Amino acid sequence: GENVEQHPSTLSVQEGDSAVIKCTYSDSASNYFPWYKQELGKGPQLIIDIRSNVGEKKDQRIAVTLNKTAKHFSLHITETQPEDSAVYFCAASPSGGSNYKLTFGKGTLLTVNP
Amino acid sequence: GAVVSQHPSRVICKSGTSVKIECRSLDFQATTMFWYRQFPKQSLMLMATSNEGSKATYEQGVEKDKFLINHASLTLSTLTVTSAHPEDSSFYICSARDLRDYGYTFGSGTRLTVV
Repeated sequence: GENVEQHPSTLSVQEGDSAVIKCTYSDSASNYFPWYKQELGKGPQLIIDIRSNVGEKKDQRIAVTLNKTAKHFSLHITETQPEDSAVYFCAASPSGGSNYKLTFGKGTLLTVNP
Repeated sequence: GAVVSQHPSRVICKSGTSVKIECRSLDFQATTMFWYRQFPKQSLMLMATSNEGSKATYEQGVEKDKFLINHASLTLSTLTVTSAHPEDSSFYICSARDLRDYGYTFGSGTRLTVV
């Protein structure tokens, strides 16, 4: 089955700096890679996703890059703000069928210091 | 965007009783829903995949008789924790897959405390 590794487990940055979180996956059949933000006591919220037919996607301060050859993808947050502080999870899944499940990384606790 | 409603958000129950958690897709039909369990400071652990109109598929190590899943309609799946014990205390989260874009939307989670 799929295995997703996520690094680092914790990341502390100063407000305004950039943050980068990296994930690797093992199953070449995976072609959908979402990133979720989870605040304490809440469910995960999708912040950005990418499919294997593109190498990069950007949404304002958030971007994701994908290298299918190397089987890794990364989340980039620029101009970080204290409200970006949360746990971030990467995930991977084959797309196309309704039963395909997400495999999650172990999460990264991001702390943005004012 | 797709919205998934999960209730209750918090529940405290006595050991030995059963608790039902509901997961509804509000603006889309979900033939498949997923149930996760999350311990503090850990990732989401998939418990089972819930398919509308058929039996759920449980992950290895998850007791199907303890965690009953029913997916009777295209917008509702329920998870019943039967004969709950303190070790079942956890954060339970549901997710539904939107076939319009193949995205996964999560509910807000249920904090179960068994005393």
